[in-house]
Order: sequence, then C-alpha cells, then structure tokens
Amino acid sequence: SQQGEEDPQALSIQEGENATMNCSYKTSINNLQWYRQNSGRGLVHLILIRSNEREKHSGRLRVTLDTSKKSSSLLITASRAADTASYFCATARYGGSQGNLIFGKGTKLSVKP
Amino acid sequence: DVKVTQSSRYLVKRTGEKVFLECVQDMDHENMFWYRQDPGLGLRLIYFSYDVKMKEKGDIPEGYSVSREKKERFSLILESASTNQTSMYLCASSSSGPLYGYTFGSGTRLTVV
Repeated sequence: SQQGEEDPQALSIQEGENATMNCSYKTSINNLQWYRQNSGRGLVHLILIRSNEREKHSGRLRVTLDTSKKSSSLLITASRAADTASYFCATARYGGSQGNLIFGKGTKLSVKP
Repeated sequence: DVKVTQSSRYLVKRTGEKVFLECVQDMDHENMFWYRQDPGLGLRLIYFSYDVKMKEKGDIPEGYSVSREKKERFSLILESASTNQTSMYLCASSSSGPLYGYTFGSGTRLTVV
C-alpha cells in the first residue's frame, strides 16, 4: 500500500535551475522524510520534517509540509549535475509492534550540465 | 562513518535454490528492514525486525523468511528462489522512535534464472 505519491514522475532541468518535487499522502503522519537514490545504489536520508513543522532547510534543500493538504514539497536550489538521482518521500506507518516507513515511487531528476 | 553493509552487490541464482542475503549494521540500531525495489512498483517492505529474534511481516512476505540472531545482523532468506524474485533488495536500519531516518545499504541486485 503506497502512502506517499511523488509528482512529477520525472523532471529534467539545466544546471543552476531550481528543482521542485511534490509528495502527497493519505493518512495522518508523525513526520515525513525525503531520500535520494543514485542509480543502482541504496537510498540516502536527506531530511525529516515533523508534522508540527511547516518548513525546514538543509543546505540547498528546502522542504515544506502542509498537513491540511496532506502534501510536502522538496526544493533543490541551484541544482548541479551531481543532484541527478531519484527522490523519494516516505511516511511512517504504525501497526504491530513498531512503525515502519512507506515510500512513494519517486521522482527521477535529471540535471543537465 | 556509519554503515549498513550488504554482503553482495550482484547475485545470480538458479530457480529452486535457497538464497541468503546478509545485512550488517555497525550503528547499534534496534530496527532493521528488508525492502525490494522493482521498476514501477517502488520500494515494498518484505520483513522488519525491532529487536533480536523478533520479526514482523511487511507487505510482501510470501516466499521469504528472515533471521535476526544478533543485533547487528539481519538475514533475508529466499526459501526456494523463483524468477519473480529477481529484484533489487535493500536493507536498512534505524534507531527506535519516529524521529529517525533510515540508513540503507548499497543494495543487492539478485537475478534468478
């Protein structure tokens, strides 16, 4: 069962431009996380935003969260070719003895030099 | 540097073989997870464990089992490999609590022929 859905599925931009990816989810959350995956590799945790936060920054990353719309966005400013990767949002699901993360299907970002 | 290590990057096995995928983390994390990743389907949770000798089924446990005899090691077992288990397998670990991100291994690309 997918909780987060990223939009768009694919995004192609030029180096130096900003990239914006969106995530929508269905149920109440405790926090929402964003991950990056380079081709053929594991995922890397980028940033976590709590449900009571509206915006968070980390370097060139800016994440917003709108719990009333059940949506989040990830903005990468001044993108670089090295930012080329897939980006996933993830939300926590609670059930059983311990929570676990449900991932969306990802946005594939291509940054052209 | 904290790490989740998966024993193999690439693996080719025959149909019907018993396959062991090993994952080791050096962060003293309580929680460990196995996901599989397929094009168009995203990441799907197979099993997770929140303590030694404890395990819980994820969304797609059929055809798989797991073992966690030591805190740092979480093994995924394909009892009788089938071609539809050809996939990228990702192991992750995290501390307990809802405010921690996951640390992923580099993945094992398994091909069953």
